[in-house]
Amino acid sequence: DAGVTQSPTHLIKTRGQQVTLRCSPKSGHDTVSWYQQALGQGPQFIFQYYEEEERQRGNFPDRFSGHQFPNYSSELNVNALLLGDSALYLCASSFRLLGPNERYYTFGSGTRLTVV
Amino acid sequence: AQSVSQHNHHVILSEAASLELGCNYSYGGTVNLFWYVQYPGQHLQLLLKYFSGDPLVKGIKGFEAEFIKSKFSFNLRKPSVQWSDTAEYFCAVNPSYSGAGSYQLTFGKGTKLSVIP
Repeated sequence: DAGVTQSPTHLIKTRGQQVTLRCSPKSGHDTVSWYQQALGQGPQFIFQYYEEEERQRGNFPDRFSGHQFPNYSSELNVNALLLGDSALYLCASSFRLLGPNERYYTFGSGTRLTVV
Repeated sequence: AQSVSQHNHHVILSEAASLELGCNYSYGGTVNLFWYVQYPGQHLQLLLKYFSGDPLVKGIKGFEAEFIKSKFSFNLRKPSVQWSDTAEYFCAVNPSYSGAGSYQLTFGKGTKLSVIP
């Protein structure tokens, strides 16, 4: 059990549509990050949410947006889907009070998004 | 910006063979280093982590890694692999400071390990 819960597990969307993915962090964690893992690649950082604000963003277009709720759960939204958005989307959680020399991340099992 | 290189795309070993997976990173400052493992159909699991101190780090399931600062390397080792170690292994790095730019993990492309019984 990862402790980080993601839904749905699989999703098929048509090019141009919009999609929302959901994540519940591990109990006791309050920081949520999202990653995109394309086939044969390592995960790539999309953004991180803390205190309901986007704290850091990776090199992804504005079509990728997110939200964090008061209960620390999070959503990843992708607009105007492209074929290249097909990937495994991973959520990772951590605890904000961990200092820079203590911080580690727990990952969920991911949502497999296929854009056709 | 930081980057991570994993030298081997796919490693095939027989059971009981020794394992060493290479990982090199590029970053000008102090870093935290991680190895994650992804078993088939499962989530990424933290295998071991290095923050500071003893450069030889022991993780779960008999794995260890050695941080060599002068070589910017963090190689993963296991003296004797088992069939159950078949998985994909990812090295990751994270800047060791607080503030903008420090919150992302940068991953290598991964090494797929296949262990033959």
